Amino acid sequence: DIQMTQSPSSLSASVGDRVTITCRASQSISSYLNWYQQKPGKAPKLLIYAASSLQSGVPSRFSGSGSGTDFTLTISSLQPEDFATYYCQQSYSTPPIFTFGPGTKVDIK
Amino acid sequence: QVQLQESGPGLVKPSQTLSLTCTVSGGSISSGGYYWSWIRQHPGKGLEWIGYIYYSGSTYYNPSLKSRVTISVDTSKNQFSLKLSSVTAADTAVYYCARLWFGEGNWFDPWGQGTLVTVSS
Repeated sequence: DIQMTQSPSSLSASVGDRVTITCRASQSISSYLNWYQQKPGKAPKLLIYAASSLQSGVPSRFSGSGSGTDFTLTISSLQPEDFATYYCQQSYSTPPIFTFGPGTKVDIK
Repeated sequence: QVQLQESGPGLVKPSQTLSLTCTVSGGSISSGGYYWSWIRQHPGKGLEWIGYIYYSGSTYYNPSLKSRVTISVDTSKNQFSLKLSSVTAADTAVYYCARLWFGEGNWFDPWGQGTLVTVSS
């Protein structure tokens, strides 16, 4: 099974900061990597699909990059509404088995 | 705009079967092109994919839950359902339904708001 790790597990940042979250797969998953944002008591929301494609309606301050085993989610200028937990998700196998990373919590410094 | 809404009992007794329904609005399950999925989140924990179904009835389940899971679809009601048998306290979680896009990334969007199911006597 493909395992996903995320780092850091949590971080504290200020409004306006550039934030980078890393997701690593235990084996190559090509670009089969997606990013979600989850706020307390809410369902996850898709931000980035296929490693680097911005979902419609998501602010352009969010970006994704990477392929193979190492991926990055970047928030270029953190906004108050961005404080949340972020999850990566892979589905490379055929048929796909979907696994999520453990999450990265972004809170206010 | 497609929206999903979970419904079902919030409390299930141990050893019984958990049953949830997801109602899809703003689009037809039968239109094809998408799959429909269940995902759960244990309290304060991460996300676990349970399984998915196509409108034709074709399914695929997480191997870790396969022996206890059944997902079905009712196209006439624009709904799909989850049954999880022989539940224990470890099945206490928020259960989400979501639309699954099969593309280069295979992603879930949108999601329902989620429903908390507690397993307790």
